[in-house]
Amino acid sequence: GQQVMQIPQYQHVQEGEDFTTYCNSSTTLSNIQWYKQRPGGHPVFLIQLVKSGEVKKQKRLTFQFGEAKKNSSLHITATQTTDVGTYFCAGPRGNQAGTALIFGKGTTLSVSS
Amino acid sequence: KAGVTQTPRYLIKTRGQQVTLSCSPISGHRSVSWYQQTPGQGLQFLFEYFSETQRNKGNFPGRFSGRQFSNSRSEMNVSTLELGDSALYLCASSLVSPGQGAYGYTFGSGTRLTVV
Repeated sequence: GQQVMQIPQYQHVQEGEDFTTYCNSSTTLSNIQWYKQRPGGHPVFLIQLVKSGEVKKQKRLTFQFGEAKKNSSLHITATQTTDVGTYFCAGPRGNQAGTALIFGKGTTLSVSS
Repeated sequence: KAGVTQTPRYLIKTRGQQVTLSCSPISGHRSVSWYQQTPGQGLQFLFEYFSETQRNKGNFPGRFSGRQFSNSRSEMNVSTLELGDSALYLCASSLVSPGQGAYGYTFGSGTRLTVV
């Protein structure tokens, strides 16, 4: 069945280091979304990428959507302790109409100061 | 504007009981989806409602059901609870734009269900 995989599962960095998480889908996606969940919190929408090869930046965060629309990455430059949390990618579930998403298992980022 | 409101925040139930969880979406959002989050399986899609109709359903047994009311508020019900149903249940609402698909979800804070 359809799968969305993320690596690494966990990443620990020193504050100021860069961080990247990778997302791979078993199927071509019409769009990909990224969410962040802080410990004890709920997922918060970060961004949606739609176009092949699209790159979007949000301050220190850079999001990319692969040319084949099957993979994506999130890169954080100069991490801060506020970046701690689990980052999920998600794509539309199957060919169904609607908003149902299939999520990756997430990458949990810890940052030490 | 108010976010997605889920009640209750915490629940403890006994095996075999049933439970109903409630979700009020952001005003104007007609799409409401439910997800189950567990440490082992991550975020798994339960179902989606749009204008009171179930539009999609995930791979969960029939013990899991839901509905949406005319004001877009949604409820989900789990009957004959099992230990494995212990999880964080998240409701998410979305603004769906005709011809452009859905924007990102706004999640509620979730209901933490513990089955003992």
